Amino acid sequence: EVQLVESGGNWVQTGGSLRLSCAGSGFSFPNFVISWVRQAPGRGLEWVLAINGRGSATYYSDSVKGRFTVSRDNSGNTVSVQMNNLRVEDTALYYCAREFCSGGSCYLDFWGHGTPVTVSS
Amino acid sequence: DIQMTQSPSTVSASVGDSVTITCRASQYTRNWLAWYQQKPGKAPSLLIYDASSLKDGVPSRFSGGGSGTDFTLTISSLQPDDSATYYCQQYNSYPWTFGPGTKLEIK
Repeated sequence: EVQLVESGGNWVQTGGSLRLSCAGSGFSFPNFVISWVRQAPGRGLEWVLAINGRGSATYYSDSVKGRFTVSRDNSGNTVSVQMNNLRVEDTALYYCAREFCSGGSCYLDFWGHGTPVTVSS
Repeated sequence: DIQMTQSPSTVSASVGDSVTITCRASQYTRNWLAWYQQKPGKAPSLLIYDASSLKDGVPSRFSGGGSGTDFTLTISSLQPDDSATYYCQQYNSYPWTFGPGTKLEIK
């Protein structure tokens, strides 16, 4: 059974840092892109970043570029996001999701349950 | 970035009815569009990918259509369990972008 479990969410002051993790199991972890998607309270979904299977390519939304850094440890089946210089608008539930890719089409087929991040002054 | 819009933002229908939600992309996305269902307090769940392909295990009451920039999600024979918010998402190019969501209420 495919499982993704996020951890690391917490309350932090503006300007602070947090490190989120996503642990995958039930599938060949190194073969999949992992994305992070966030959802602010009462709002819609916002894609944040992604990392390819080998960790050699990363992609970021403009809203987090330069502040968030994604990495992965395929020996431990984990993806981590280092979040620096956090802003109030980063407050959200952060989901990690697996990207299933076939023939150039890549969609988010399994999601974790999310980890909450609260940033306040 | 590709902007996604959805309509309606909210829809109310009765058990047994059919509803159609539309999604429009600001640029051509081929057929690389997905639909997700999200129930309160839960993570999103994939329903449809590549505009019209049903994920394994999703009831055939759900169907997707469209191509290019205009897409639809149709839910037929509505059930109480279909009450949720539905999001479209393009994966033609990063950054992936989602529509604002359509909240479906079952009367």
